[in-house]
Amino acid sequence: QVQLVESGGGLVKPGGSLRLSCEASGLSFSDYYMSWIRQAPGKGLEWVSYVSSSGTSIYYADSVKGRFTISRDNAKNSLYLQMNSLRAEDTAVYYCASLAYYGSGSYGVDHWGQGILVTVSS
Amino acid sequence: SYELTQPPSVSVSPGQTASITCSGHKLGDKYVCWYQQKPGQSPVLVIYQDSERPSGIPERFSGSNSGNTATLTISGTQAMDEADYYCQAWDRSTNVFGTGTKVTVL
Repeated sequence: QVQLVESGGGLVKPGGSLRLSCEASGLSFSDYYMSWIRQAPGKGLEWVSYVSSSGTSIYYADSVKGRFTISRDNAKNSLYLQMNSLRAEDTAVYYCASLAYYGSGSYGVDHWGQGILVTVSS
Repeated sequence: SYELTQPPSVSVSPGQTASITCSGHKLGDKYVCWYQQKPGQSPVLVIYQDSERPSGIPERFSGSNSGNTATLTISGTQAMDEADYYCQAWDRSTNVFGTGTKVTVL
């Protein structure tokens, strides 16, 4: 059974930093592209970032580019998101997700974590 | 940037068919996934590769994709299907989610 467990969320002031972690089990972590996806309160899903299985390819949404850094440690089956210069609009539940490849350069989320709340407020 | 548009809400009577659309430029050229999200829960994949069902997803969920529109169909809708539904597609190395549709079973 696949489990993705996020940690590191909480309350932070605008301009502050936070580091999210995601520990994976039940899957061959080093074979998977991994992603962070967020959902602001009462809003829809927003893709944040993803990293290739080896860690060499990384992409970010424009809304977080230059402020957030995704990384992974395949030896520890772990995914990370370093969030700097946080803004009120970054307030959301952040989901760790594994991406399955469906062909033609297309991926989908086959497993989601339970999500962790990040609140940016003074 | 690429956008996927869904109707904000769809209402359906129990036992009837609910259709949820997802519109995007040349969406038929891409693979579409659909996710179900119930209140307070993480999303769950219900359709991948336009029309494939993951293990454990009931047969009443089906999908199609052609032209500029993908459609998720729930046949014989049950009360437990009341949830938010999101489409998702991949565009030039970026992941895009639809705006989401709230399905209400009246």
